Amino acid sequence: QVQLVQSGAEVQKPGASMRVSCKASGYSLTNFYIHWVRQAPGQGLEWLAVVDPGETNTRIVPKLQGRLTTTTDMSTTTIYMELSRLTSDDTAVYYCARGSRFLAGAFWGQGTHVTVSS
Amino acid sequence: VLTQSPATLSVSAGDRATLSCRASQNIDSTYLAWFQHRPGQAPRLLIYATSSRAKGIPDRYSGSGSGTDFSLTITRLESEDVGVYYCHHYGGAAGTFGQGTKVEIK
Repeated sequence: QVQLVQSGAEVQKPGASMRVSCKASGYSLTNFYIHWVRQAPGQGLEWLAVVDPGETNTRIVPKLQGRLTTTTDMSTTTIYMELSRLTSDDTAVYYCARGSRFLAGAFWGQGTHVTVSS
Repeated sequence: VLTQSPATLSVSAGDRATLSCRASQNIDSTYLAWFQHRPGQAPRLLIYATSSRAKGIPDRYSGSGSGTDFSLTITRLESEDVGVYYCHHYGGAAGTFGQGTKVEIK
């Protein structure tokens, strides 16, 4: 069965970087895209990026360009999302989701809580 | 930009809920989806391509619309339908979600 399993919660200091992993299983990684979405406390869903794992091609929301990068380890079918120069505004639950080139789909990771605090 | 209304919808159990999602410009209906999000859970895909129900979604959920105006209708509202509902679209080289509509039982 299709599963996306994310890494555990993180606490980071302002200015540091965070890295969330999303291990995919139950399907061929190159057949689908991976979307990254976050939800800050009390806020709605925010779309961050979409990754083509097979081509290492990533489209990123303009406000995070220059701070967000993604990598794919095909040997472990794991996609990584790294966000640098963290501020308190980056405190959120981060999700990965399998989808098409354009939209997130039916399979999501369990979410990773990231807290940015001094 | 996707604008959802109302922000909160209080509906009696058994009644119908209609949620609106308005785009700032015409969008391709192929790239419009709806998600349900309950606290502590991952979002759940309900509808894709404006009106196609995702696997396992009951037929109480239906989507419609075109151009700039889209809607999600939930009939015979049940307690399990409580949550926040988001429309989702990809356009202009980036994805986006509406700000959400919270559905509660009156």
